Amino acid sequence: QKEVEQNSGPLSVPEGAIASLNCTYSDRGSQSFFWYRQYSGKSPELIMFIYSNGDKEDGRFTAQLNKASQYVSLLIRDSQPSDSATYLCACQENAGNMLTFGGGTRLMVKP
Amino acid sequence: DAGITQSPRHKVTETGTPVTLRCHQTENHRYMYWYRQDPGHGLRLIHYSYGVKDTDKGEVSDGYSVSRSKTEDFLLTLESATSSQTSVYFCAISGSTANTGELFFGEGSRLTVL
Repeated sequence: QKEVEQNSGPLSVPEGAIASLNCTYSDRGSQSFFWYRQYSGKSPELIMFIYSNGDKEDGRFTAQLNKASQYVSLLIRDSQPSDSATYLCACQENAGNMLTFGGGTRLMVKP
Repeated sequence: DAGITQSPRHKVTETGTPVTLRCHQTENHRYMYWYRQDPGHGLRLIHYSYGVKDTDKGEVSDGYSVSRSKTEDFLLTLESATSSQTSVYFCAISGSTANTGELFFGEGSRLTVL
């Protein structure tokens, strides 16, 4: 059974700091990785995806992937209170397969 | 915003009653999904559809059925609701037919089974 593990948190960081969110996955066949953000009471929204080992940057967000270690992370630089949300990691074996989601990490950014 | 609407948004029902949740999209996307979200479990796939009348089971399909008679509508039915089906249900569509990992979600339907 495919598993995606995330620390449920809450992860508390001060405003302006770097928030580091981590995710491990069990399926070595996973090829694509996604980060979704979900505000309380709202639906998830895609913020980043990564396919290749290494880093991918988009504004204040950086996704990092290490397939050998089966580890994917999301860094949020200059964290803002508006970043406070639950972040869901998801893995996909290939473009035609369904996503497997982790349980999510709740991030709290304190002013 | 992707044109996805779910109805009803909130429903309270009793054990043993049938329940149907509706998902309607205006994006003409091929893939549609039903997820449930429970504390500590993240999002779990119930059923999905890859075209009109083409559906398949997800990881938690027991007790649920789906139908898709039109591209724009995907229905989720609980034939006989149980308390374990109390959850928030999200419909989603794929933003890209080439990459089904890019999902757009509806606003969710909160179902309480007493």
